[in-house]
Amino acid sequence: AQKITQTQPGMFVQEKEAVTLDCTYDTSDQSYGLFWYKQPSSGEMIFLIYQGSYDEQNATEGRYSLNFQKARKSANLVISASQLGDSAMYFCAMRPRGGSNYKLTFGKGTLLTVNP
Amino acid sequence: DGGITQSPKYLFRKEGQNVTLSCEQNLNHDAMYWYRQDPGQGLRLIYYSQIVNDFQKGDIAEGYSVSREKKESFPLTVTSAQKNPTAFYLCASSMLLGRGSYEQYFGPGTRLTVT
Repeated sequence: AQKITQTQPGMFVQEKEAVTLDCTYDTSDQSYGLFWYKQPSSGEMIFLIYQGSYDEQNATEGRYSLNFQKARKSANLVISASQLGDSAMYFCAMRPRGGSNYKLTFGKGTLLTVNP
Repeated sequence: DGGITQSPKYLFRKEGQNVTLSCEQNLNHDAMYWYRQDPGQGLRLIYYSQIVNDFQKGDIAEGYSVSREKKESFPLTVTSAQKNPTAFYLCASSMLLGRGSYEQYFGPGTRLTVT
């Protein structure tokens, strides 16, 4: 079984500053993928970034980077230079790689508020 | 533009009625998924389908049914057996597992209210 824990129900950050959203996971799979999604108030889920468990480098996508620490089983999302439009719910998720298990397991999310 | 459409955005039903939520994708994805989201919670998987005419139960399939007669379509029926049907329902699709991330792409969601 897989489990995702997001311990920060809410976070506040000043515009233009960086913020880190925490995510820890638990799995018995050797190969897995980690995802971050953004959910604005409109409701749709927007894919942000992906990290494979065997990827040697931390993933980066524009202002998003994933601080992957495999030994600690953590996959924190770092947003640099926060913008007002970054205010949203952020979900960490994971799934096994390979085999026929397609299931994505989600955390409960962190509500990020960017202050002007 | 490629994407996933869900209709309607808001849906109201009386208790005891079945209701079907629509999900269509033109991304040529093989796999499709239905999730339920309750206030302040993450997403929970209801059903998923890897191929036409085949689907599997997720974590909370009781009270729901699906069909996959076409690759592009994966409708979800919320039956009267679902005890707490009021929720936000999200449909997603992805390529099949293999190399790469194969992230799931989501539709805009349907907010179902049952009174």
